[in-house]
Amino acid sequence: QSALTQPRSVSGSLGQSVTISCTGTSNDVGGYNSVSWYQQHPGKAPKLMVYDVSKRPSGVPERFSVSKSDNTASLTISGLQGEDEADYYCCSYTGSNTWVFGGGTKLTVL
Amino acid sequence: QVQLVQSGAEVKKPGASVKVSCETSGYMFIDFYIHWVRQAPGQGLEWLGWINTNTGGTKYTQRFQTRVTMTRDTSISTAYMELRRLRSDDTALYYCARNLTNWGQGTLVIVSS
Repeated sequence: QSALTQPRSVSGSLGQSVTISCTGTSNDVGGYNSVSWYQQHPGKAPKLMVYDVSKRPSGVPERFSVSKSDNTASLTISGLQGEDEADYYCCSYTGSNTWVFGGGTKLTVL
Repeated sequence: QVQLVQSGAEVKKPGASVKVSCETSGYMFIDFYIHWVRQAPGQGLEWLGWINTNTGGTKYTQRFQTRVTMTRDTSISTAYMELRRLRSDDTALYYCARNLTNWGQGTLVIVSS
């Protein structure tokens, strides 16, 4: 199972919006509504930000939103704040009770 | 609150085995799967597999199937991940995660001669 494809880096200015894409295949992203997104700050464990494509755990701001089209899921962060600077990973169910992560995207807030 | 506390860092020689523990609290252990994920230095996340903490059933990613074993001890709400025939490229932070939702702090495994 190959890793999902994410851009290596994205950047945006404070207050603006950025979108991070996550491209897979019909066997993972496109085949199931089980895509989740994680935020990871340096030296910290990943934190779940979105699951089942568009659901947010309690405490995650509405600024984090997700969409999915065919084999690509996208995480949009609006109203960028300094604390949003981190690595972001998508993760998808692949069938056969297995999961796969994306390669990760480094978000820089300018 | 839900907590997953992992065992401490390990340094192993190539060819050896390592067993990492993940002690859970704050919820019913057998109600949620435990997944294991690793992260090599400066690299991304890699899913290794899961254990059904109720039945003990497991599912591993294909490339680790012959080297990894996940087990649990329901009496102490703890899950384990053992990786055998270690290689230098197994050097990584190993995480346990409840249903990929709540994560442990990670266990650093260093493989070096």
